[in-house]
Amino acid sequence: AQSVAQPEDQVNVAEGNPLTVKCTYSVSGNPYLFWYVQYPNRGLQFLLKYITGDNLVKGSYGFEAEFNKSQTSFHLKKPSALVSDSALYFCAVRDIAGYSSASKIIFGSGTRLSIRP
Amino acid sequence: EAQVTQNPRYLITVTGKKLTVTCSQNMNHEYMSWYRQDPGLGLRQIYYSMNVEVTDKGDVPEGYKVSRKEKRNFPLILESPSPNQTSLYFCASSSQGIRTDTQYFGPGTRLTVL
Repeated sequence: AQSVAQPEDQVNVAEGNPLTVKCTYSVSGNPYLFWYVQYPNRGLQFLLKYITGDNLVKGSYGFEAEFNKSQTSFHLKKPSALVSDSALYFCAVRDIAGYSSASKIIFGSGTRLSIRP
Repeated sequence: EAQVTQNPRYLITVTGKKLTVTCSQNMNHEYMSWYRQDPGLGLRQIYYSMNVEVTDKGDVPEGYKVSRKEKRNFPLILESPSPNQTSLYFCASSSQGIRTDTQYFGPGTRLTVL
């Protein structure tokens, strides 16, 4: 069964420093991987996705993520954090191994990112 | 403006009183889905629909029903709500059955069942 793990409930970073939000996954086939962000009292917004191709994916707001197949990871990164990046971040995976699982998407439990000025 | 709308945004009800949360999208998306968000558990998929009249269970379908009679609408029905269904609910849609596309989320419905 497919699964997603976000091992850190909270990540605290000083403004201007690089940030990393970790995500590992487990699927039976090839994964489609996503990062979403949720600001307070809002729905989720898409940040970036990995489907195939280059392992380094660039997304919205200066974020990027690196797909590492051997480590089954898809960590979210940003070179220089902003206070406005403070939000709840979700990693998600979809397993494309077979039609029966083709439309299910599994979300991680979320990581709260807090950027201090 | 492309959007997913949900109604109501907030709802307090009592155990056993049937309710419906509506979801509508204006992007002509084939795929629609319902999630619930609970602290420490992230988002869990309740039901999804690949197209009109095609629905399937997600990971936590018990106690919920859905229907997809029109492409733009995907209501979530709680026939007999219970307190453990108190949660924040999100509707989402995407094109091409989510194979490569991203999901657009509604603003959420906060449901409290007393």
